[in-house]
Amino acid sequence: NAGVTQTPKFQVLKTGQSMTLQCAQDMNHEYMSWYRQDPGMGLRLIHYSVGAGITDQGEVPNGYNVSRSTTEDFPLRLLSAAPSQTSVYFCASSSLAGQYFGPGTRLTVT
Amino acid sequence: DAKTTQPTSMDCAEGRAANLPCNHSTISGNEYVYWYRQIHSQGPQYIIHGLKNNETNEMASLIITEDRKSSTLILPHATLRDTAVYYCIVRVGGSQSNFGNEKLTFGTGTRLTIIP
Repeated sequence: NAGVTQTPKFQVLKTGQSMTLQCAQDMNHEYMSWYRQDPGMGLRLIHYSVGAGITDQGEVPNGYNVSRSTTEDFPLRLLSAAPSQTSVYFCASSSLAGQYFGPGTRLTVT
Repeated sequence: DAKTTQPTSMDCAEGRAANLPCNHSTISGNEYVYWYRQIHSQGPQYIIHGLKNNETNEMASLIITEDRKSSTLILPHATLRDTAVYYCIVRVGGSQSNFGNEKLTFGTGTRLTIIP
């Protein structure tokens, strides 16, 4: 049982490039979500999904797209990277007890 | 979700009990109190949650006041590895979680430093 996994761990992008942050969980959780954490700040919700085929926006969705074709995977796409998207990105999946977070992806946009 | 208030930072001597307070005066009757922590550069880690009764698990104890307007997370014998930012969150959920409302709102938390 690997829990929540994220790839890559580190990524550097140039402004305007696109990329996909991968997230997978093997706990059969219906609910998954993406957060970003800027230095010295708490987590802010980007997008979430309550099950395969269902996604919704969180607090800061602009510039990001998500899809949920399977229960296990919840990728986050940056359409056209901007320096303001430099952050640490955490994926999480949820059980009745609480949310379980992945190790994070540290993204730098230059 | 109700807003929470926590001290910005706290120190605790290694081996002593660390008591982290949280105020949630606007908590609703169906909202639970959750505690998470985030060790540097890692993803947040679930610690404990409760509704109105005190709770204990292998990591910590949670004391919730009778009026539910505040709570205290207790780490009974703090170690250096407990140095982290601790987040207190209130949300609808628990044993009957509403998955359509699973949006945790993380504030800035309490930075706990364990002193050798």
